[in-house]
Amino acid sequence: AQRVTQPEKLLSVFKGAPVELKCNYSYSGSPELFWYVQYSRQRLQLLLRHISRESIKGFTADLNKGETSFHLKKPFAQEEDSAMYYCALKDNQGGKLIFGQGTELSVKP
Amino acid sequence: DAGVTQSPTHLIKTRGQQVTLRCSPKSGHDTVSWYQQALGQGPQFIFQYYEEEERQRGNFPDRFSGHQFPNYSSELNVNALLLGDSALYLCASSPDRGLYGYTFGSGTRLTVV
Repeated sequence: AQRVTQPEKLLSVFKGAPVELKCNYSYSGSPELFWYVQYSRQRLQLLLRHISRESIKGFTADLNKGETSFHLKKPFAQEEDSAMYYCALKDNQGGKLIFGQGTELSVKP
Repeated sequence: DAGVTQSPTHLIKTRGQQVTLRCSPKSGHDTVSWYQQALGQGPQFIFQYYEEEERQRGNFPDRFSGHQFPNYSSELNVNALLLGDSALYLCASSPDRGLYGYTFGSGTRLTVV
């Protein structure tokens, strides 16, 4: 079964601390994974896609097929990083996104 | 470019009624997907439209139906509303069937009473 699991509902860190938001997936085939972010009162927006191997706003994510994980990392958290983060898996058969339940990141001053 | 626009932003309906939600995709996007997001949950895929046809469907009953028009805009219809249909309904569009991700609208908040 295709599934995305984000084990933490809430992650609270202090400004300047490293951040790791966990994402594990279950998928038979070659996965395409994304991280979406939703800031307060804003729409869901794409943060990262694993095929691009890019770094956005200091965040990176590496696909680990052995551990079926796609954790989102940032070495030094900023207060403006506080938001809801969703990991999503794209179904290669038709293009639907399968979302995790989301992790709320709170960065305290 | 206004991005993905959805209307209305909020809606209150009575159980048993029918509702139509509308979505205009981002300019240049021809694929439209609909998602339901219940409070505290991640978005759940309802269906996807491309070239005016439903291409993929999630685990939702037939009460949920849709349409895509020649200008790529789309409608989501829900019949015989249940209290459990109360949620944020999100529309997402893409120019490439989601290859590089989707652009989301702000959603329509549906409350069924």
